Amino acid sequence: NAGVTQTPKFQVLKTGQSMTLQCAQDMNHNSMYWYRQDPGMGLRLIYYSASEGTTDKGEVPNGYNVSRLNKREFSLRLESAAPSQTSVYFCASSEVSLTEDEKLFFGSGTQLSVL
Amino acid sequence: DAKTTQPPSMDCAEGRAANLPCNHSTISGNEYVYWYRQIHSQGPQYIIHGLKNNETNEMASLIITEDRKSSTLILPHATLRDTAVYYCIVGSGGSYIPTFGRGTSLIVHP
Repeated sequence: NAGVTQTPKFQVLKTGQSMTLQCAQDMNHNSMYWYRQDPGMGLRLIYYSASEGTTDKGEVPNGYNVSRLNKREFSLRLESAAPSQTSVYFCASSEVSLTEDEKLFFGSGTQLSVL
Repeated sequence: DAKTTQPPSMDCAEGRAANLPCNHSTISGNEYVYWYRQIHSQGPQYIIHGLKNNETNEMASLIITEDRKSSTLILPHATLRDTAVYYCIVGSGGSYIPTFGRGTSLIVHP
């Protein structure tokens, strides 16, 4: 199994450009997440989707939009990129239930630079 | 606000046990303790989790205090490849939103 797949791995944008980061999981997980990680920092949650058809804001949602296209796919869109959005972006998924563990599975990340 | 507190950095000699502490004094009765690690700039990797009992797997051991307010991740024989940032997080249930702090940067030296 591929697990969580993110594309692209690297991207350079100019200020004001738009782009979509793609994420897909093949584990039939209900929940998916987008995090960003700045140098020397922990992961900060941008948006999450607890189940297909729902999305919610995380800690740092400004400047981003998301789409839960189906159960497998969760995309992150930057409508007008800014240098402050230069970061490494990680997608993750988990199976949420009330009784079992809910460990996260992460993709390999997208390194985004906004000039 | 972070629900866990970890020391920012630790070091350990290769071959020795690495004991990484985590404080989670506000943990609820149904919340699990999870540990992840992040090697360089890769995606974090799940290590182990527990509710109240101590747990062991092929990667590590997890010791949770009886009051569940703190835990320790133990890497019994640390290797250079264990150099990474280790994150301790807590949560469970339908409203679980995994929140990561800055973790502990573990450096294993020869």
